[in-house]
Amino acid sequence: LAKTTQPISMDSYEGQEVNITCSHNNIATNDYITWYQQFPSQGPRFIIQGYKTKVTNEVASLFIPADRKSSTLSLPRVSLSDTAVYYCLVVGDSSYKLIFGSGTRLLVRP
Amino acid sequence: DTAVSQTPKYLVTQMGNDKSIKCEQNLGHDTMYWYKQDSKKFLKIMFSYNNKELIINETVPNRFSPKSPDKAHLNLHINSLELGDSAVYFCASSQEGGQGAYNSPLHFGNGTRLTVT
Repeated sequence: LAKTTQPISMDSYEGQEVNITCSHNNIATNDYITWYQQFPSQGPRFIIQGYKTKVTNEVASLFIPADRKSSTLSLPRVSLSDTAVYYCLVVGDSSYKLIFGSGTRLLVRP
Repeated sequence: DTAVSQTPKYLVTQMGNDKSIKCEQNLGHDTMYWYKQDSKKFLKIMFSYNNKELIINETVPNRFSPKSPDKAHLNLHINSLELGDSAVYFCASSQEGGQGAYNSPLHFGNGTRLTVT
């Protein structure tokens, strides 16, 4: 099962771009990379998912290099409300157990 | 209007008691899950049901028993509660079931905070 490694925490300021990198060295061919956001006292919320290269939606962008051993979640111009824990998951047909790692706690300061 | 709803939101009980947590989803999803989040914020999957059939059963004490009366409901019953059971329990659902579930985003409820005293 592909395991992920993320920074435990990150600090940023309002208006800045934040990039959170996740390592997944033993990702399998059929695995997808998925990111979730969790606010205090709430369940995780799906942000974005990708397989390779770049995916963009109204919330974030996901960059995946050719070897797919890592991925970067990019949050453009963060605001205070982006303060949350961000989880990177690698999911595939052999790991549909959807294993969450420890996540990255992002603190956005005024 | 809530997509995945859990009840109760808070549950405080004493050791040795039996309690249940209920979960309902109105998204029409095939698969439902129970996760446990401990004090260190690790989210660990406990169970998964696809169309009322158990497909994931992690190493969880048999005091925990999931029950799925229909595709939209997955309840969690816990017998003989212990101090270590204190955690936040999240219910979730996804569109596809079985092996197809891996690329279907999870939709989570807001959790049930269980405190065992």
